[in-house]
Amino acid sequence: KAGVTQTPRYLIKTRGQQVTLSCSPISGHRSVSWYQQTPGQGLQFLFEYFSETQRNKGNFPGRFSGRQFSNSRSEMNVSTLELGDSALYLCASSSRGQDVGYTFGSGTRLTVV
Amino acid sequence: LAKTTQPISMDSYEGQEVNITCSHNNIATNDYITWYQQFPSQGPRFIIQGYKTKVTNEVASLFIPADRKSSTLSLPRVSLSDTAVYYCLVGDMNSGGYQKVTFGTGTKLQVIP
Repeated sequence: KAGVTQTPRYLIKTRGQQVTLSCSPISGHRSVSWYQQTPGQGLQFLFEYFSETQRNKGNFPGRFSGRQFSNSRSEMNVSTLELGDSALYLCASSSRGQDVGYTFGSGTRLTVV
Repeated sequence: LAKTTQPISMDSYEGQEVNITCSHNNIATNDYITWYQQFPSQGPRFIIQGYKTKVTNEVASLFIPADRKSSTLSLPRVSLSDTAVYYCLVGDMNSGGYQKVTFGTGTKLQVIP
């Protein structure tokens, strides 16, 4: 079965712009989480969605937002980009009660110049 | 959420067994212990999950003592392709997947020829 698909794979944006990243979870998975990974901070939790509702949110500014659609696909948006937003953004999906943890996508590499 | 502590890095020769220990002193009753592997510029990949005693799959073994305050990931006969960062996570899967999971710094395993 298809894995978690993240698009685009690479992205270059200019400071001040906004960006939208997309994540398609594994079919049947209703939970989608987003993470930011940088060399200095490691993997940091952004937010988690389940059945179109945000269940948890990490400690990121309001410029970072997300949403989940009825088909469980999720998007995250970053407005007013800063140089420090350059990172690998990872999406992970899981099925409630499944004992195999999260399945991650390959990520979107965002570079802000 | 239970905080985890792992060694920052480890070196091992090819063909040896590698044991990576994770400390999680404040693990909760409903928490499971899960290990992920991550290669550069890729999303973490699920390796193994357990609740207590020993779990084994085709890739690794997970040893959890009775008090569950620590766990040890065992990789038999490592090869160069096992060079990666290994993360230990603790969380309650029964509440709909991990909520606000923190990955920690992970252990960077370097396999030497």
